[in-house]
Amino acid sequence: QQQVKQSPQSLIVQKGGISIINCAYENTAFDYFPWYQQFPGKGPALLIAIRPDVSEKKEGRFTISFNKSAKQFSLHIMDSQPGDSATYFCAASRTNFGNEKLTFGTGTRLTIIP
Amino acid sequence: DAGVTQSPTHLIKTRGQQVTLRCSPKSGHDTVSWYQQALGQGPQFIFQYYEEEERQRGNFPDRFSGHQFPNYSSELNVNALLLGDSALYLCASSLGGVTYGYTFGSGTRLTVV
Repeated sequence: QQQVKQSPQSLIVQKGGISIINCAYENTAFDYFPWYQQFPGKGPALLIAIRPDVSEKKEGRFTISFNKSAKQFSLHIMDSQPGDSATYFCAASRTNFGNEKLTFGTGTRLTIIP
Repeated sequence: DAGVTQSPTHLIKTRGQQVTLRCSPKSGHDTVSWYQQALGQGPQFIFQYYEEEERQRGNFPDRFSGHQFPNYSSELNVNALLLGDSALYLCASSLGGVTYGYTFGSGTRLTVV
């Protein structure tokens, strides 16, 4: 049972453009939504995260938009750079003790071309 | 500042064998979680250890077991290996809840032949 659906599977964006990755979740008990960035041969690294009481969170060039009623959230990368080329995973988790485990999407391979 | 350290980095095992993977958490972290990442997929939660006890478990068979030591390091054991167990096994450590952020290691690439 895939509880977090992610799209697109792959994405090619020109340098300086905006990269947009979308995720949808099913479990309304989720209340923590992070995005992870993974480079080849490395483990995922936390990029940015949001709680459902906020509709948008921005950190530098990275922004999460959250739509609680639609059960969807997205990652926007502004002014995309070649160094942003990586695989991005959305995830979701509950935050009550004993139930905290990340449920990941299937990933988006992002390629930034010059 | 050393992050999460996993060993070995690569491993080749024969079907039916047993394997032990090791994880040293980031300094100061007390909770260790293990994930399995198949090629081209997102990580799947195996189990989590806190205070040397398994706190929660994902949908993995009993062939997968683990342990946490008093120094917070952890082991993942897999018995009776199947070809489908071939994957990248990731260890993540944290202090406090998930909202404080998980730090992942670079993983152990297990190939079962």
